Amino acid sequence: DAEITQSPRHKITETGRQVTLACHQTWNHNNMFWYRQDLGHGLRLIHYSYGVQDTNKGEVSDGYSVSRSNTEDLPLTLESAASSQTSVYFCASSAPGGQDEQFFGPGTRLTVL
Amino acid sequence: RKEVEQDPGPFNVPEGATVAFNCTYSNSASQSFFWYRQDCRKEPKLLMSVYSSGNEDGRFTAQLNRASQYISLLIRDSKLSDSATYLCVVNPITGNQFYFGTGTSLTVIP
Repeated sequence: DAEITQSPRHKITETGRQVTLACHQTWNHNNMFWYRQDLGHGLRLIHYSYGVQDTNKGEVSDGYSVSRSNTEDLPLTLESAASSQTSVYFCASSAPGGQDEQFFGPGTRLTVL
Repeated sequence: RKEVEQDPGPFNVPEGATVAFNCTYSNSASQSFFWYRQDCRKEPKLLMSVYSSGNEDGRFTAQLNRASQYISLLIRDSKLSDSATYLCVVNPITGNQFYFGTGTSLTVIP
């Protein structure tokens, strides 16, 4: 069965360190998204990609970067982790067209000390 | 102004009750609408899409009011298993981005 996975599921890091969160999907979806979820804010879009070599900034992209070298993966990098980036991170994918369901990964809980 | 606004609740209802959630959106040109369900510490999952004419899926009914820019979700005969957070989601005309509401928390009490 097709799926979307994230790793690690939990991560504790220190301020200033670079952190990369992995997202891998086997749906063969062109569209992939990274969100963060915090109390009182809901899901907020960080970055998204509509295909290989395509990346776009979302609502809260400062301090984050992504790259898309193949269809299956969209890693999210925190260049220099800050305590404000402590959150739950969800990756999602969807088929082209914009009208379709987004499928979410199980999430990564990141704590920055 | 937020793209999507929801009443966060919480809604605490007895089993068998009917409960309704509303959600408003700011972009009048928005094209597609969804309700997602999120269980505690889990990922959001699609509950149902919302169509212009309204649609029903078992005990769940979704309605769209474009004139007033709101969507609603009605749950009839609530079950304990309906306890979750319900997210209102809107897809504006531009691009494939979704905008999520902050969610409405529902607890169904035995």
